[in-house]
Amino acid sequence: DIVISQSPDSLAVSLGERATINCKSSQSVLYRSDNKNFLAWYQQKPGQPPKLLIYWASIRESGVPDRFRGSGSGTDFTLTISSLQAEDVAVYFCQQYYDSPITFGQGTRLEIK
Amino acid sequence: QVQLQESGPGLVKPSETLSLTCSVSGGSISTSYWSWIRQPAGKGLEWIGRIYSGGSTTYNPSLKSRVIMSVDSSKNQFSLTLSSVTAADTAVYYCARENPSSSGWYDYWGQGTLVSVSS
Repeated sequence: DIVISQSPDSLAVSLGERATINCKSSQSVLYRSDNKNFLAWYQQKPGQPPKLLIYWASIRESGVPDRFRGSGSGTDFTLTISSLQAEDVAVYFCQQYYDSPITFGQGTRLEIK
Repeated sequence: QVQLQESGPGLVKPSETLSLTCSVSGGSISTSYWSWIRQPAGKGLEWIGRIYSGGSTTYNPSLKSRVIMSVDSSKNQFSLTLSSVTAADTAVYYCARENPSSSGWYDYWGQGTLVSVSS
């Protein structure tokens, strides 16, 4: 199985400041023939299902604010929230879909400082 | 707007079988892969497996011996059965749709249903 590790486990950031969450896979999720990274990011608020934010490592889902940015390639990826808003308080997960079984990171809890 | 809704018993006894159904509305079940994903309280997400409308399945090897998924296209539903459950199977169970343009990421999720395993 591809193991996905996120860091940090939790993060407190001031409103308006930048938040950075890292995701590392145990093997590359880059499919070289089309240069696509098989990685997605989700946001989960309490009592709700995960919400898709980013796919192909850097493509924002329709309706996702542009303060959310995904980057990285191969085994190392980052989700950046450029200016933290109160509604961004949530747990964030990354997910690889390069190989079966699909696996998720353990999650990063983002709070307001 | 595609909507998914899980249904099934909220309490299952140890060693018995968990059965859940996901009803899909606002879109055809024939266009995508459909998955079950679970989340123990306060923990991460575990992929259980997926099924296509034609019935082909892929299961997580960690659960494969206990999992069966099926699809009923006439009802726009798909189902999960998990046998020989233990307390470790207590979790919120989600059904979700893989984006039909390319398999792998989940663009629609059900609200989730809590299944507790207890005598």
